[in-house]
Amino acid sequence: SQQGEEDPQALSIQEGENATMNCSYKTSINNLQWYRQNSGRGLVHLILIRSNEREKHSGRLRVTLDTSKKSSSLLITASRAADTASYFCATDDRGSTLGRLYFGRGTQLTVWP
Amino acid sequence: SQTIHQWPATLVQPVGSPLSLECTVEGTSNPNLYWYRQAAGRGLQLLFYSVGIGQISSEVPQNLSASRPQDRQFILSSKKLLLSDSGFYLCAWSPPGGSFVHVEKLFFGSGTQLSVL
Repeated sequence: SQQGEEDPQALSIQEGENATMNCSYKTSINNLQWYRQNSGRGLVHLILIRSNEREKHSGRLRVTLDTSKKSSSLLITASRAADTASYFCATDDRGSTLGRLYFGRGTQLTVWP
Repeated sequence: SQTIHQWPATLVQPVGSPLSLECTVEGTSNPNLYWYRQAAGRGLQLLFYSVGIGQISSEVPQNLSASRPQDRQFILSSKKLLLSDSGFYLCAWSPPGGSFVHVEKLFFGSGTQLSVL
């Protein structure tokens, strides 16, 4: 399937450190997105990177995309305890005409104060 | 601005009982609507999506069904719940564009935690 896979499954760091999460996917895409989910809540869109982009920034977030390796990374700089959440990558499918997103299993990030 | 409402937040149901989860979107017309399920510690599984009233596409065969009786209303149902239907159900919407638009952003509801006992 097209479903992305995040790595690592869990990440535990101290406040102020940087957090890096990776995502791999299987087929050609138009865009890749990252979402955040606080425990027991819905997902919130963080950032989108298109297939013709290699890097994108939004505040403390930095996303890279390597379409040749079918992989992406999300970097959160200077992490805070409030960044504790699960982070998911989501991809579409360039070969499909249907508006669907495929999500990975997520990375659980814990930031200790 | 657009908002999405999903209820109830928590539901405990016995095996074999019916289910009805409702989701409504405000502030937009003809949105694409989605139902996802998230099992504990797992990713999101797309269950149903709809690009218009009465147009429902199912991703996986299951004990569930979906309906879209109004433009901004999406309902997830079951006639008889199974233990395996337990999970966290999320409704989401994306800006209109029908089937031939690549989704660039999903807006999620707050979810329903369903426990089937």
